[in-house]
Amino acid sequence: EVLLVESGGGLVQPGGSLRLSCAASGFTFSTSSMNWVRQAPGKGLEWVSYISSSSSTIYYADSVKGRFTISRDNAENSLYLQMNSLRDEDTAVYYCARWRAQGKMHTFDYWGQGTLVTVSS
Amino acid sequence: EIVLTQSPGTLSLSAGERATLSCRASQSVSSSYLAWYKQKPGQAPRLLIYGASSRATDTPDRFSGSGSGTDFTLTVSRLEPEDFAVYYCQHYGSSSWTFGQGTKVEIK
Repeated sequence: EVLLVESGGGLVQPGGSLRLSCAASGFTFSTSSMNWVRQAPGKGLEWVSYISSSSSTIYYADSVKGRFTISRDNAENSLYLQMNSLRDEDTAVYYCARWRAQGKMHTFDYWGQGTLVTVSS
Repeated sequence: EIVLTQSPGTLSLSAGERATLSCRASQSVSSSYLAWYKQKPGQAPRLLIYGASSRATDTPDRFSGSGSGTDFTLTVSRLEPEDFAVYYCQHYGSSSWTFGQGTKVEIK
């Protein structure tokens, strides 16, 4: 069974930092591209960041570029998101999601349950 | 950057009725990179359709996807109680992933 379990969310003041983790199991993490996607309270989904299986390719949404850093540890089957200079508008549930690009399939095929980040003074 | 616009914002229907959800892209996109997800309150999104028209594993056959170019449609032939949820279309292109704003299918 594929499992993605996020952790590290919580309450942080504006300008603060937080590090999210995503523990993966049930699939070959080291050959999978991964992403972070967030959802502000009552709002839609917003892609945040992508990292390839070997960490050689990384992308960020403009809204987080320069403030967030995605990384992974394939030996630990873990994905991370270091979030610095947090703003009120970063308040959201953060999901890790596997990106599958194979044949006709180019999708987020597995998602974690999410971890809530609240930025407030 | 491609913008996906979903309509309607909310669809009020009864169980057993047909639901038709629209996703319009701001410019022509490859159908290979168009997907649909379902999200119930308090849950993570779940993949329904990929490649615009292919059902994901475990997606019931009452769900179908169609379209090309700028106009895509998700159809639920007969709504079951578990189908009342929010549906998002999503596109990948040029190192960026975008979602539509969602369509809520609610019980009438």
